[in-house]
Parts: sequence; C-alpha cells; structure tokens
Amino acid sequence: AQKVTQAQTEISVVEKEDVTLDCVYETRDTTYYLFWYKQPPSGELVFLIRRNSFDEQNEISGRYSWNFQKSTSSFNFTITASQVVDSAVYFCALSEDLSGGGYNKLIFGAGTRLAVHP
Amino acid sequence: DSGVTQTPKHLITATGQRVTLRCSPRSGDLSVYWYQQSLDQGLQFLIHYYNGEERAKGNILERFSAQQFPDLHSELNLSSLELGDSALYFCASSVGALAVRKETQYFGPGTRLLVL
Repeated sequence: AQKVTQAQTEISVVEKEDVTLDCVYETRDTTYYLFWYKQPPSGELVFLIRRNSFDEQNEISGRYSWNFQKSTSSFNFTITASQVVDSAVYFCALSEDLSGGGYNKLIFGAGTRLAVHP
Repeated sequence: DSGVTQTPKHLITATGQRVTLRCSPRSGDLSVYWYQQSLDQGLQFLIHYYNGEERAKGNILERFSAQQFPDLHSELNLSSLELGDSALYFCASSVGALAVRKETQYFGPGTRLLVL
C-alpha cells in the first residue's frame, strides 16, 4: 500500500539555523508524484513543490531546497537560514492513481511541526 | 491565495444535525477534491469529482455525500453529525486533464466544523 512517513513530529530551531524535514514514501507505482505543502498557523494548505518520479534533480527555490532520492524513497526538504515566518506544519504527500484510470488522491504524511524561535 | 474558496469558514452545530459545506474551484479547474483533517486521522482524502462526475472515493462515511454542479462548484453534505466529525474540511481543485495524477491540487482555506 502507498504510504508516506514523516518521522519527525516536531522540530524546534533558532532563527538562521538550517533545518531538514524528512519524508519517506512507499509505492508500487513506477510513475508517481510527490508534493510538499505548508500549513501555517492560519490553517490553509499552501502548495510548495511537485516532483515526478523520473526527475531526481535537486531543486532550489530561494531558501528552500528539495532532495529527491529514489534509491532510498526519500524526498527531503531543507530550509536554509530559517525565519520565524517559516513556523508551520509541513506535509509531504504522494499522488496515487487509484485504478490507473486517471483518478487522483493525495496520501499525506502526518506532518512535521516546525517552530522557529527568534 | 490559491483561488479556491470555501464557505463557511467556521461552523458550530449539534450532534444529529446536517450541514452543507461549499467549495468553488479555481477558475478553469474541472476537478474538485474533499479532504478531512482531524487530530487523530490526519489529512484524509474523502472524494474526487471531475466535471460533475464522481471519480474516486476514499474514507468517506455513508452519512457524508458530495456533488459537483454544472457551474463546477461542489458541496459536501454531512448528516447525522457526531462529535467525531469535528474537523477541518478542505476542498482542493486541479485542472482535471487526462493525466490527473500529476496535477497539483490547490487547497481552499478550509471549513472548521465543531460538533457539540
């Protein structure tokens, strides 16, 4: 069965520290998509990145970077020089095609709560 | 702002009651999804509609139902409410093209339901 594991429940750092959020997934699909979403204290879910299973290039967007390693089924997220505004719950998700017919659902990990202190 | 709207933002009701949550997808999106976020279950997929048709069901209770209307907005109906139905209910939308699996789902702000 498809599954996403975020083993870190909570992480607490001081501003300007780098922090890495881990995500490990399980799937039997050969083609799949991975996502990261951010849920700030206000509650909405904000899309951060999408990665397909064929593209193992790391990606950097400002202070955010993502490391996708198919060999270890991991899709880790690093925030460089963290800021207080980065405090949120971060979710990793896997897109599952339920029947191969183009039907879609996201399987979410339990989330990692990141607290960045001044 | 994702472009997905949900109403109401908050809802307080009593056990046994019925409520309707409403979602308007991003302009041009044909697919609508509903998710439930609770403390014990986390984020769980409920149901997916594409252009008015139900496409996939997840862990949706029989007391819950949904539909997508011709103008593409969607409603999630929750009936015979129980205390355990208290949760944050999200709607998401995506373009809804053929290869749906790769599409990014954009989430609305959610409806926070409290059942007393």
